[in-house]
Amino acid sequence: DTEVTQTPKHLVMGMTNKKSLKCEQHMGHRAMYWYKQKAKKPPELMFVYSYEKLSINESVPSRFSPECPNSSLLNLHLHALQPEDSALYLCASSQDLQGHSPLHFGNGTRLTVT
Amino acid sequence: AQSVSQHNHHVILSEAASLELGCNYSYGGTVNLFWYVQYPGQHLQLLLKYFSGDPLVKGIKGFEAEFIKSKFSFNLRKPSVQWSDTAEYFCAVNARNNDMRFGAGTRLTVKP
Repeated sequence: DTEVTQTPKHLVMGMTNKKSLKCEQHMGHRAMYWYKQKAKKPPELMFVYSYEKLSINESVPSRFSPECPNSSLLNLHLHALQPEDSALYLCASSQDLQGHSPLHFGNGTRLTVT
Repeated sequence: AQSVSQHNHHVILSEAASLELGCNYSYGGTVNLFWYVQYPGQHLQLLLKYFSGDPLVKGIKGFEAEFIKSKFSFNLRKPSVQWSDTAEYFCAVNARNNDMRFGAGTRLTVKP
């Protein structure tokens, strides 16, 4: 079982809705990530937080807004999404900031935008 | 930015066959290399990793990978696959801090 907890597991939202995805880890990891994974595709990096500061933003549209309230929590706020944003959203964390540590993934939130 | 290529999209093997999945990356500097596995309905898990030292690394469940710097490759191997190895396998490269990029993945189907 994974030590990275994501909620909700499934989310269906309309294009005018506002919703949030949540991620939590208690391993003391200082880097946290959001990835997007479409069916039969690899995970695509969206955002990286290091020590609660946004360090990487892969030119993600502003309808996705990340937030890292503390070292254990990572949120992804969603607003005015498009149907093509439907995907599995994965949260991950890693221990170090030099890239040696592997990522620990959550089970993901399966998002459907109608 | 770095990129990762996985040559095989779908591999079908019988149990006890040997496995080799190709992975090449493009980046001129130091890299950290990983193989992850995603079993059906489960989260991505680490199989093995390399960042320095012996270029032949061993991971969980009998998997190993060899880093060949001159070929920019990090191929995954297993001498004898089992039905339970059926999964999606992703090669990943981390070339700058916390910037983990994944290859397209290889779907492995092992027939009993």
